[in-house]
Amino acid sequence: AQSVAQPEDQVNVAEGNPLTVKCTYSVSGNPYLFWYVQYPNRGLQFLLKYITGDNLVKGSYGFEAEFNKSQTSFHLKKPSALVSDSALYFCAVIPGGGSYIPTFGRGTSLIVHP
Amino acid sequence: NAGVTQTPKFQVLKTGQSMTLQCAQDMNHEYMSWYRQDPGMGLRLIHYSVGAGITDQGEVPNGYNVSRSTTEDFPLRLLSAAPSQTSVYFCASSGLAGGADTQYFGPGTRLTVL
Repeated sequence: AQSVAQPEDQVNVAEGNPLTVKCTYSVSGNPYLFWYVQYPNRGLQFLLKYITGDNLVKGSYGFEAEFNKSQTSFHLKKPSALVSDSALYFCAVIPGGGSYIPTFGRGTSLIVHP
Repeated sequence: NAGVTQTPKFQVLKTGQSMTLQCAQDMNHEYMSWYRQDPGMGLRLIHYSVGAGITDQGEVPNGYNVSRSTTEDFPLRLLSAAPSQTSVYFCASSGLAGGADTQYFGPGTRLTVL
C-alpha cells in the first residue's frame, strides 16, 4: 500500500528566506506526485505535479519541487518566501500503473513571519 | 466554469438526524470523491466514484452513503449523524487520465453534530 509522510507539522520561515516543505513517499512502481495548498476556510488548490521527465518541476506562485527517486522524496521549495505563502500544504501520491486514487499526507502548516 | 460546488457551506445537526451534502462539477470529470478533514489527520477518503452508477468505499466509509446517478453530481448522505462525524467535508473531481490528472476541490462543508 502507498503512503506519504510529511515529517513536519509546522515550518516557520522569515519573509525573504528560502523555504522547504518535506515529503517522502512509499509506493511500488513509478508514482505521480502532487503538491496542493489550502488557505484558511478554503478547499485545496493544485500547485504542481511530477509525472515523468525532468526531476525539477515548477508550479504556481514561484514554487518548485524536486523528485528524488533514490530518496523517495518530493520536497517543495521556494527561493524567497512571502507572508502570503502562509497556508497548509499537502503532498499526495498516486502509484501509477492505472491507479487513480491519491493518498494525501497529513499536511504541513507553513508560517512565514514578516 | 463553476468547477466543483458544494452545498451547504455550514450545517449543524443533532445526533441521529440525517442529511445530504451536495457536490456538483461541470468539468465532465469521471472521478469524484469525498474526503473529511480533521485536525492532525489530514484528508481521509470516504467514498469515491469512477463514473455514473459506480461507487466504492474509501478509508472511512462507515456512516456514509453515496450514489452517482449522473456524471455531474455526487451527493454524500449521513444516515444517522453522530458527534464523531463533526468535520469539514470536501468533494473533489478529476479526469481519470491514468491517474496523472489533478484533483479539483470544492470549498468544503463544515458540519457540526451536537
